[in-house]
Amino acid sequence: AQSVTQLDSQVPVFEEAPVELRCNYSSSVSVYLFWYVQYPNQGLQLLLKYLSGSTLVKGINGFEAEFNKSQTSFHLRKPSVHISDTAEYFCAVSRLNAGGTSYGKLTFGQGTILTVHP
Amino acid sequence: EAQVTQNPRYLITVTGKKLTVTCSQNMNHEYMSWYRQDPGLGLRQIYYSMNVEVTDKGDVPEGYKVSRKEKRNFPLILESPSPNQTSLYFCASSLWIGGVTSEQFFGPGTRLTVL
Repeated sequence: AQSVTQLDSQVPVFEEAPVELRCNYSSSVSVYLFWYVQYPNQGLQLLLKYLSGSTLVKGINGFEAEFNKSQTSFHLRKPSVHISDTAEYFCAVSRLNAGGTSYGKLTFGQGTILTVHP
Repeated sequence: EAQVTQNPRYLITVTGKKLTVTCSQNMNHEYMSWYRQDPGLGLRQIYYSMNVEVTDKGDVPEGYKVSRKEKRNFPLILESPSPNQTSLYFCASSLWIGGVTSEQFFGPGTRLTVL
C-alpha cells in the first residue's frame, strides 16, 4: 500500500520570502514521487518529479524538491515566491514493482494551499 | 492542440439515473486515469488504464465503471449515482514509459452534483 501526507493544509507567506511545502509518504517499496500545482479553476500541472538519480530535483517556475529516502519525505521549496505562485500544491506517489516499473496507481496527498501576500 | 477533453463540464442529476462522463485525448497516450477531487481530501484515483482493454482499480473504485475500447477514449460510468458521488472529476493521460513516469495531462474537470 502507499499513502501520502502533506503536513500543512495552508501556508501563508509574504512575497519574496522562501517557502517549504512538506510531503511525507509511506511505502514499503521504492517509489516515484511528483509535485503538481493547481491554479484556481484549472486542472493540475506537473511541477517536478523524482524517478531516480540525484535526490535534488529542479522543476518549473523556480521550484525544487529533495527526496529523502530515510525520512520518506519529498519536500518542495522555493527560495523566493511571487504572488503568481498562489495555488494549491499536491504531492503524489507511485510505488514500483519488483521489475522497477510503477504499477500505474497514483496516490495524491490532501493538498497544500499556498497563499502569497504582497 | 494537444489536449484532454471531458464532457459534460457540469452535470446535475438525480440519484439512480445512470450517467457517463466522456474523456478523450489526442496525444496517443497509453495511460489514462480518472480522479475525483473533494475539499480536504485531495485527488483520489478511481480507475486507471495502461492501454486498450487494460484497466485497474485506483483507491476509490466503488460505484464506478470504466472501459478502454479505444486508445483515445476512457469514459467513466456511474450506473446508479448517489449523493456521495457529488464531486469534481478529472481525467488525465500520459505516456506509459516504464510506468507512471511522464507528466500527466489533465482535462478541465467535470463538476457533478447528484441530488
